[in-house]
Amino acid sequence: EAQVTQNPRYLITVTGKKLTVTCSQNMNHEYMSWYRQDPGLGLRQIYYSMNVEVTDKGDVPEGYKVSRKEKRNFPLILESPSPNQTSLYFCASSFRQPTDTQYFGPGTRLTVL
Amino acid sequence: GDSVTQMEGPVTLSEEAFLTINCTYTATGYPSLFWYVQYPGEGLQLLLKATKADDKGSNKGFEATYRKETTSFHLEKGSVQVSDSAVYFCALSQGGSEKLVFGKGMKLTVNP
Repeated sequence: EAQVTQNPRYLITVTGKKLTVTCSQNMNHEYMSWYRQDPGLGLRQIYYSMNVEVTDKGDVPEGYKVSRKEKRNFPLILESPSPNQTSLYFCASSFRQPTDTQYFGPGTRLTVL
Repeated sequence: GDSVTQMEGPVTLSEEAFLTINCTYTATGYPSLFWYVQYPGEGLQLLLKATKADDKGSNKGFEATYRKETTSFHLEKGSVQVSDSAVYFCALSQGGSEKLVFGKGMKLTVNP
């Protein structure tokens, strides 16, 4: 089954404790991205990747890192999480570019205390 | 920069009511336009899209027409069902761009 998986689905952590949210797709997609969803603010892009080893900042990259060492994986790294990073995070992928249909993961609910 | 403005709601309708969700955009050039839907507890999924002026996208009884003269892409459905309860996002992307720009989303609740 074609899908985007994220782990963990739920995470409660404390300020400053490094964490990684994994994202993996099995569709051989080139384009991958991370979004955060917050009430009243909608969906905002954090980082995106056009292909392996090619990543770039979205609209709200501060406090986040990403890597794209393999085509299928695009982990999101929070080196020192803060409470303002409490949010619902989505990973998405598409064939080659944003105009192609985006396939979203199920989301990761992160709470930073 | 490119942007999308849509009705934010929340909106509550009765089953079989008519639905319109307004979406307007600001963009240079000729963007592709999308409606994505997020059902409770799930990620977003594509509902419909249109890639050029006057194109009509349709899916699951929903329709939207790309109107360049009014820079709009309003979503309509003639008769909503309880299963249409979800958050609806309008979005755009320019050909050759590396980004997809979303509106803030509108929560729809349909009561039996």
